[in-house]
Amino acid sequence: QKEVEQDPGPLSVPEGAIVSLNCTYSNSAFQYFMWYRQYSRKGPELLMYTYSSGNKEDGRFTAQVDKSSKYISLFIRDSQPSDSATYLCAMRYVGANNLFFGTGTRLTVIP
Amino acid sequence: GAVVSQHPSRVICKSGTSVKIECRSLDFQATTMFWYRQFPKQSLMLMATSNEGSKATYEQGVEKDKFLINHASLTLSTLTVTSAHPEDSSFYICSALQGAEETQYFGPGTRLLVL
Repeated sequence: QKEVEQDPGPLSVPEGAIVSLNCTYSNSAFQYFMWYRQYSRKGPELLMYTYSSGNKEDGRFTAQVDKSSKYISLFIRDSQPSDSATYLCAMRYVGANNLFFGTGTRLTVIP
Repeated sequence: GAVVSQHPSRVICKSGTSVKIECRSLDFQATTMFWYRQFPKQSLMLMATSNEGSKATYEQGVEKDKFLINHASLTLSTLTVTSAHPEDSSFYICSALQGAEETQYFGPGTRLLVL
């Protein structure tokens, strides 16, 4: 079993839709949770960074962490064609720098 | 802030030659940088952790003599692919740790094609 599971998609939604992206994990020691966006042939770009459980909002993006369920989510409101990319979840332990990545979900927002 | 650059962005070389890729943190100092490799439609695979002033730590299965890493300053790490072969063709991405929360910021990647 992988430590971080993420549905690879692809996921296609119409413009303006709410997008829900999710990851599950098996190791309860993970405390830091991140979402990265990666456009084709580019490096990952940090979107959201959260510590432990809770919600964090930044513009159209909301990150949720449910440690009891070992489940994290990224919501994108009013999705735009420019949101079309691969979204990677990542997480790490306290005191460690290595990130554990999901496989990435490829999202397409259709105009 | 937290900008990481890579050079070159794309390189084509002949089999048997060596290729050097630079990773720079432009607006912050990074004691620790990471090198990843990514195959098409796959996630990032950590190759090694680069620490300023000390030897890199390589992940299992990564040949340290083939992928030479030098982290000579707080803003620069280099990855040299020695005696490159077509199977080394890939997308190489670096990242750098920034801030008290030690967040990883990624470079734009280098696409290597070995003919």
